[in-house]
Amino acid sequence: QKEVEQNSGPLSVPEGAIASLNCTYSDRGSQSFFWYRQYSGKSPELIMFIYSNGDKEDGRFTAQLNKASQYVSLLIRDSQPSDSATYLCAVGVPTGGGNKLTFGTGTQLKVEL
Amino acid sequence: SAVISQKPSRDICQRGTSLTIQCQVDSQVTMMFWYRQQPGQSLTLIATANQGSEATYESGFVIDKFPISRPNLTFSTLTVSNMSPEDSSIYLCSVRDRGGTEAFFGQGTRLTVV
Repeated sequence: QKEVEQNSGPLSVPEGAIASLNCTYSDRGSQSFFWYRQYSGKSPELIMFIYSNGDKEDGRFTAQLNKASQYVSLLIRDSQPSDSATYLCAVGVPTGGGNKLTFGTGTQLKVEL
Repeated sequence: SAVISQKPSRDICQRGTSLTIQCQVDSQVTMMFWYRQQPGQSLTLIATANQGSEATYESGFVIDKFPISRPNLTFSTLTVSNMSPEDSSIYLCSVRDRGGTEAFFGQGTRLTVV
């Protein structure tokens, strides 16, 4: 069973702090890694993707990937109340027809005033 | 990124009936997928909609229950057949741009079976 695991939370951080969201995966064949944000009652929205070991930064968001440890994380700097949502980690494995994504169960983030 | 229109956005259906969900994309895309998200849970892939051929179903999902069509590179439908309350869920269409690996989602269809 190929799995993607996340702590369900809720993770509470004060406004302005750094939120750190973590994800581990079991399939060593995984080659692409994604973070989605999902507000309650809405569909997932792609925030970041990363393919190579190391860090990738986009505005307040930084994705970190360590394939040896099978670990991917998302850092949100200067957290805002509008960042309060569920964050889904997704891992892509190449198949004959393209990448197949497996999603984690998500981490609920609450940014408190 | 592709603009994805999914309809209906929600529906309440009687058990034993069927509902067809449509997904329309504003550009040609290589891959289209259908996911289910049950209350409080993450996304589960139902099937990959293949253009011009039968869909590829994931373990636990069968064509008789979830028939899928994909007549061209911009449109797909998912039918939830002979519905029961256990089918109450959000159904999401997802696409990947030609040559890309990033997946984008439609706004979802919230289905309640009574």
